[in-house]
Amino acid sequence: RKEVEQDPGPFNVPEGATVAFNCTYSNSASQSFFWYRQDCRKEPKLLMSVYSSGNEDGRFTAQLNRASQYISLLIRDSKLSDSATYLCVVNMGGNEKLTFGTGTRLTIIP
Amino acid sequence: DVKVTQSSRYLVKRTGEKVFLECVQDMDHENMFWYRQDPGLGLRLIYFSYDVKMKEKGDIPEGYSVSREKKERFSLILESASTNQTSMYLCASRTGEVGAFFGQGTRLTVV
Repeated sequence: RKEVEQDPGPFNVPEGATVAFNCTYSNSASQSFFWYRQDCRKEPKLLMSVYSSGNEDGRFTAQLNRASQYISLLIRDSKLSDSATYLCVVNMGGNEKLTFGTGTRLTIIP
Repeated sequence: DVKVTQSSRYLVKRTGEKVFLECVQDMDHENMFWYRQDPGLGLRLIYFSYDVKMKEKGDIPEGYSVSREKKERFSLILESASTNQTSMYLCASRTGEVGAFFGQGTRLTVV
């Protein structure tokens, strides 16, 4: 089993729709969780951290379910500029190493 | 804003050459990382460093070494470049519980 697993997609979603991604992780001792966004041929950029209580940043909501070992990202009112690959990232604990999922590709269709 | 700078955007090297990839960060972060990214495989950790002169192997260290002589600089060395090391190389830095910040990447082609 992969340490961090994501549905690779692609997700093709009409503009204005709501889209959700899930990501599962294998290590129950994992401590920190993040979502990154990566545009084509660019470096990954931190989108948001994921906290146990869930957190929201504008149209983006991230949630953590420790019991089931998954995190989620919800994008509301999607924009064309949201088209990108979304990477789920987990700090497994014990050191500062971050483990990345392979990413979910999202395309917003006009 | 955190700035992580990699020395080159694109590099072309010959098989067997020794290759140096340099990374500098300006935010006094303790932790620095080198990843490579390949289609379908995602980001894979090569090495990381949590302090000056300290290093730890990541998931795919074979064929690579690193150097961290100063806190702000973390170098990745390909001892003898091979064609299977053609990839996008990404440097990152991190402190505390915050997520890591990446450099712009170096696209290395070994011919």
